[in-house]
This record gives sequence, structure tokens and C-alpha cells, in this order.
Amino acid sequence: GEDVEQSLFLSVREGDSSVINCTYTDSSSTYLYWYKQEPGAGLQLLTYIFSNMDMKQDQRLTVLLNKKDKHLSLRIADTQTGDSAIYFCAESKVTGGGNKLTFGTGTQLKVEL
Amino acid sequence: NAGVTQTPKFRVLKTGQSMTLLCAQDMNHEYMYWYRQDPGMGLRLIHYSVGEGTTAKGEVPDGYNVSRLKKQNFLLGLESAAPSQTSVYFCASSSNPPGAPHEQYFGPGTRLTVT
Repeated sequence: GEDVEQSLFLSVREGDSSVINCTYTDSSSTYLYWYKQEPGAGLQLLTYIFSNMDMKQDQRLTVLLNKKDKHLSLRIADTQTGDSAIYFCAESKVTGGGNKLTFGTGTQLKVEL
Repeated sequence: NAGVTQTPKFRVLKTGQSMTLLCAQDMNHEYMYWYRQDPGMGLRLIHYSVGEGTTAKGEVPDGYNVSRLKKQNFLLGLESAAPSQTSVYFCASSSNPPGAPHEQYFGPGTRLTVT
């Protein structure tokens, strides 16, 4: 199966760290992704991790991958109000019909002052 | 370079009416996708295309048709709209180089309401 699951909401205070979690079921995924959707806009790629890595850091973002448990997380350090958005994890798989992404349900991050 | 554009941005239809959503990309991408986004359900793939003249079914294709007559355009049609098709529709495109991360570029969305 290709189910990707996330919790729907997360609320944090400005300056705290945010951790958004995701579980997936397809162990053959080559890359796992985090996309960000700001209000009224389409999704934008935030970061990604190759499936043979367990951590990737990019400025305030840290992605952790536990392949054994099929668990992906996104940590945002020093969360700002501009980080308020919906965050989607996604996995990719190459099929006979080409490369497709399967998205999670999205986690709405609310940053409070 | 406009990226991915979608028209219209908003539309209200009555049950049984038809309409076409247009997606255009100026990045020379081979792959194009149509998704719908519903609360608590994430993005679900409706149809996609791996190149000009090709289309394929995604996860939720029923009630929709698509065409890719030109590489830069991907049209999504609703022949007889139903209230269950009330949603936000996103188009995306990608170049999909082999072995590389699969980044999709999204349009701003079309909010469709069927009454």
C-alpha cells in the first residue's frame, strides 16, 4: 500500500521548535519529501531526504528518517510566524506509469505569539 | 518565467454543468499532474501525463477527463459536475530526471464549488 499518515494539527509558540511527524508504508520509496503550503497557494518543495540517509540538516530544518519504522519527521528550529502553513510529507515511487508522489494528509502548523 | 498557472482561480457550477480547467507551464516539463485537495485528505491524484499526447489515471479519476495536446498545457474536464467534486484543484509539473529527487512545481489552485 501507499498510505502516508500525519497528524492534522500542531500549535507552537514563536521561538520554540516544531516537530512534524509522518509515517509511510512503501519501503521502496527512493526519496521522501516535505512540502509546504501557505494559505491560498500551491505546494512548494521545502526539503527532501534520500532513503539511504537518516538525517539531513538545512538551516533551521532537520529531517530525520527511520527507515526501519517507516517514520519521517521535520524539525523546525526557532519557529517563526511565517512558518505557519500546512506541511505535507510525500514519498515517491517509480512505476510503469512514471514517477509519482503520494502525499500525506498534511499537518497544519499554527505559530502563536 | 511564470512557472505553473491555472485558470480560472474560482468557479461556481450547478450540478450537471460542465467545465474545463486549464493548466499551463513554461518550464518545458514532461510530466504534468492534476490533484484535488479536500480537508483532512491531503492531495489525491486525479490524472497525470508523462508527455505530450499521453494521459493516465491516478487515484480518483472517475468523473474527470484530461487532455495533453500540447506539452505546455494540461486540461482537466468535468463533463457533468456533482457536489462531490467541490474541491480545490491543483495542477503540477515536473521534469523528473532519472535518479534525481522528484520535485513537482504547483500552480496556485482553482477553487470549485458545485451546488
